[in-house]
Amino acid sequence: EEQLLESGGALVQPGGSLRLSCAASGFTFSNYAMTWVRQAPGKGLEWVSGISGDGDNLYYADSVKGRFTISRDNSKNTMFLQMNSLRAEDTAVYYCARWKGGSTAAAGLPADWFDPWGQGTLVTVPS
Amino acid sequence: ETVMTQSPATLSVSPGERATLSCRASQSVSSNLAWYQQKPGQVPRLLIYGASTRATDIPARFSGSGSGTEFTLTISSLKPEDFAAYYCQQSYSIPITFGQGTRLEIK
Repeated sequence: EEQLLESGGALVQPGGSLRLSCAASGFTFSNYAMTWVRQAPGKGLEWVSGISGDGDNLYYADSVKGRFTISRDNSKNTMFLQMNSLRAEDTAVYYCARWKGGSTAAAGLPADWFDPWGQGTLVTVPS
Repeated sequence: ETVMTQSPATLSVSPGERATLSCRASQSVSSNLAWYQQKPGQVPRLLIYGASTRATDIPARFSGSGSGTEFTLTISSLKPEDFAAYYCQQSYSIPITFGQGTRLEIK
């Protein structure tokens, strides 16, 4: 069974840092791009960042660019999100997801849709 | 940035009836459009990708259509388990963007 499991969420003070992890199992991790999506309490989904299968291409939302860094360790089937300079508006459940559909991807992008998703990990930054 | 606008924000429909959800892109996203279902307290689930292809194990009552800037998710005969929030997502350009969601509620 293809599974993703996030960890690392916590309560952190404004300006602090946190590192999220996403452990994958049940598929060949290095063959797929991966992504992070967040959901603030009671709100909709917001794409945060993505990474190609080989880790060479990185993608970020403007809201996190320069503060967050995505990476992966294919030898450990794990993706990471290093979050620095955290703000209250970063409070959310952070989901990791496999970014799938390479053959249908638009030009310049590694993949298309997100499936499956992990259970999420909660990051809380008080105001 | 491509803005995705879903309508309506809330849709009230009776079980057994048809539901039609709309998603409009501020510029063309070709067919790089996916739909997700999210029930309260649960993880988003992929329903449709490539604008019209059902994901694995998704019932045939779910169908997607459209291309370019106008897209539709249709649920042909609503079952109680279909009442949830639905999001469209474009993956044509960075940043990837989601619509704000449509909440499908029981009438």
